Amino acid sequence: EAGVAQSPRYKIIEKRQSVAFWCNPISGHATLYWYQQILGQGPKLLIQFQNNGVVDDSQLPKDRFSAERLKGVDSTLKIQPAKLEDSAVYLCASSRWSRRISRSMYNEQFFGPGTRLTVL
Amino acid sequence: TQLLEQSPQFLSIQEGENLTVYCNSSSVFSSLQWYRQEPGEGPVLLVTVVTGGEVKKLKRLTFQFGDARKDSSLHITAAQPGDTGLYLCAGPIDYNTGKLIFGQGTTLQVKP
Repeated sequence: EAGVAQSPRYKIIEKRQSVAFWCNPISGHATLYWYQQILGQGPKLLIQFQNNGVVDDSQLPKDRFSAERLKGVDSTLKIQPAKLEDSAVYLCASSRWSRRISRSMYNEQFFGPGTRLTVL
Repeated sequence: TQLLEQSPQFLSIQEGENLTVYCNSSSVFSSLQWYRQEPGEGPVLLVTVVTGGEVKKLKRLTFQFGDARKDSSLHITAAQPGDTGLYLCAGPIDYNTGKLIFGQGTTLQVKP
């Protein structure tokens, strides 16, 4: 099966500009995640969707970050305006995890290659 | 707050050496996962350990889950340059959402 697709792979912008990232999950995966990974650190969850609904966005800086998954398939993550500290790799992941079968299933997540964002 | 702490943060070794990396927590986890992330790529799941004391082997990689399910280790025998990457452990912290928490990772560099 095709993996998680992300674009662009690299983006360089100046602070206060806006940027958008796109993700297409593995076909049939109900749950989609956006993570921020700062160099040398583990991924930090920004937002989680199940189908087209938000499950967890507690760590999303909502004053500047937004995300949508309108048709329950692909998703976009936007930053507006960008700050220097937003420089990071933005990873998209998907999984078959579903709230209906939560305790009986290990949440194996499949990651895309990420988008490396540099804010100057 | 459940946290996963990994050690060492960085490891640079010669090809053929053995190594162990650790993932520790003060909290009990129902399961722990290990991912490997190669430069420029996303993490890829290596294994999930679910039973206290469990040992799983994946070729030259041996994973162990602590008896109390608070820690895990990854041992690599005869490391090769292809093992280079960031090793991440992750555990579930919310069964309602399936949310995973990741450790900060161990960066492994294997020199030929």
